[in-house]
Amino acid sequence: GESVGLHLPTLSVQEGDNSIINCAYSNSASDYFIWYKQESGKGPQFIIDIRSNMDKRQGQRVTVLLNKTVKHLSLQIAATQPGDSAVYFCAERQAGTALIFGKGTTLSVSS
Amino acid sequence: GAVVSQHPSRVICKSGTSVKIECRSLDFQATTMFWYRQFPKQSLMLMATSNEGSKATYEQGVEKDKFLINHASLTLSTLTVTSAHPEDSSFYICSAGGQGHTGELFFGEGSRLTVL
Repeated sequence: GESVGLHLPTLSVQEGDNSIINCAYSNSASDYFIWYKQESGKGPQFIIDIRSNMDKRQGQRVTVLLNKTVKHLSLQIAATQPGDSAVYFCAERQAGTALIFGKGTTLSVSS
Repeated sequence: GAVVSQHPSRVICKSGTSVKIECRSLDFQATTMFWYRQFPKQSLMLMATSNEGSKATYEQGVEKDKFLINHASLTLSTLTVTSAHPEDSSFYICSAGGQGHTGELFFGEGSRLTVL
């Protein structure tokens, strides 16, 4: 069964706000985590990843935080834009295995 | 980044027929490919793992005789949905990782199957 879940199924924000999407995982052996964005009818699009030896990683407008103590992953999107509206999935992986996906959070950005 | 291509992107078939979906890694050799299925408003669920030159490993609850997977080369894996039924209608997505791409997997754009 799924070992990764999400705290909130939907998130609505105003354009320009910061968004925080949360994820809980249960497999302590996972050593690699990824956030994906999926738009309707398309495959997952890589956003940012983090390995278990890190607790924070920043990209362009996005930051991923990893708290291994409580098995929690979050994605922060700065200055959210309408184009950020999509479903966001966290995924976990052990070396050499498939990615296991969480349930997904729908981000809705209104202008 | 690496490119994974799926074909067809959309397919409609009659119940009882078989449908083949192709997944190609365009600029790298994919020793391992993964097939996922996604129903509307749900997450991606792993169906099977295929390694080049060997039999696929199926997840619990996935019928191997119904979802035939062939990974005959380092750049191509195929998923054949045999004797398709309306409940097989779904979004099928492949992902691939190569020896030089530790960790990150690359996803195809998905194939929307509709069984009438």
